[in-house]
Amino acid sequence: SSELTQDPVVSVALGQTVRITCRGDNLRTYFASWYQQKPGQAPILVIYNRSTRPSGIPNRFSGSGSGNTASLTISGTQAGDEADYYCHSRDASERRIFGGGTRLTVL
Amino acid sequence: QVQLQQWGAGLLKPSETLSLTCGVFGGTLSGYRWTWVRQPPGKGLEWIGEILDSGYTNNNPSLKSRATISIDTSDNHFSLRLASVTAADTGIYFCARGYSNAFDFWGQGTLVNVSS
Repeated sequence: SSELTQDPVVSVALGQTVRITCRGDNLRTYFASWYQQKPGQAPILVIYNRSTRPSGIPNRFSGSGSGNTASLTISGTQAGDEADYYCHSRDASERRIFGGGTRLTVL
Repeated sequence: QVQLQQWGAGLLKPSETLSLTCGVFGGTLSGYRWTWVRQPPGKGLEWIGEILDSGYTNNNPSLKSRATISIDTSDNHFSLRLASVTAADTGIYFCARGYSNAFDFWGQGTLVNVSS
């Protein structure tokens, strides 16, 4: 399958650590990237090549992965981190694929 | 800092052709995948397709060849045409720069509404 699966909703208490996961067979071969999207805004790249943070992204955001799973971890979650998070990768035919998205709620 | 600025018609009737353009400012087109992504209302992101500065294109098969992406290297912009639109094509359309299996810069988005 060339799909990427994410949990639709994840909640975290303010200041705690949360992990958002993405599963798909293609992740065994190709790196994942992660995007944060707030209402009415374009997505922002927060992690690429599984674990690399672009400049300007706080080090509270980290990425990891093993096998068919990629993860985005947010440490010391802030109220401003409440957003939709999408994983992305590709398949062997160079088709670019997005996960269905995870809505992060900060309690 | 690279900036992508997009423009195009936002209201279409069924069967018409969607046409959007994305200008690239502060950077070169060379070496990147210039990409279109869309987002239906209240839903997730869908990759439409991409083009290189060479003119090579790679489109999402799910759009059944309705999408055409072109590039103008002399004027630093790329464009999307989507033929025979229906209500299912309503949503926000984003342009983006693809690099290293990621999209590092995005346009502001254009809301496209297909309605009779």
